Amino acid sequence: GNSVTQMEGPVTLSEEAFLTINCTYTATGYPSLFWYVQYPGEGLQLLLKATKADDKGSNKGFEATYRKETTSFHLEKGSVQVSDSAVYFCALAYSSASKIIFGSGTRLSIRP
Amino acid sequence: DTAVSQTPKYLVTQMGNDKSIKCEQNLGHDTMYWYKQDSKKFLKIMFSYNNKELIINETVPNRFSPKSPDKAHLNLHINSLELGDSAVYFCASSQSLAGRTDTQYFGPGTRLTVL
Repeated sequence: GNSVTQMEGPVTLSEEAFLTINCTYTATGYPSLFWYVQYPGEGLQLLLKATKADDKGSNKGFEATYRKETTSFHLEKGSVQVSDSAVYFCALAYSSASKIIFGSGTRLSIRP
Repeated sequence: DTAVSQTPKYLVTQMGNDKSIKCEQNLGHDTMYWYKQDSKKFLKIMFSYNNKELIINETVPNRFSPKSPDKAHLNLHINSLELGDSAVYFCASSQSLAGRTDTQYFGPGTRLTVL
């Protein structure tokens, strides 16, 4: 079946460090891939997305590239800030259904 | 203006009770969803509705019954609450059923605690 696997957290970094959160997926066909972020006490919000192979999604300094050959969509940011502390969810979706399949989430904590 | 709102934000109740959570979106979207997030932050879809019609029902117990009086509202009623129902419930909406391209907008969540 279709699934998303993320690196387990928590991930703790110092401010201005480089961030990578790994995400791989298993899917039939050609899904779209997403990163959602959940700040403390809030609902999820879309961070970025990519709808086809080799597309790069980017927002707020975060980037992720849809790699079909490695079935991956790793999230990166060159210099993290304390305000980036949140839980990050990798997800996939198909056009044939409105259902999004989420990964288990990765908690990120940034130290000042 | 709140795009997707839920009430209540917190709900504490006894086992066996019946409770409802309300959700409203003012984005003019056609599709609405309910998700359950457990204590480990794992998020799973429960239901989706499109123009008041049930689209997805992910093998949720019959004690959970969604109701959509109009396409801007999707309420969740839970009968005979059990300890395992304790979780955060998120409502979401999207423009349509085009899952590949449509962004889902989430409400702030309702934390349900069953004692």
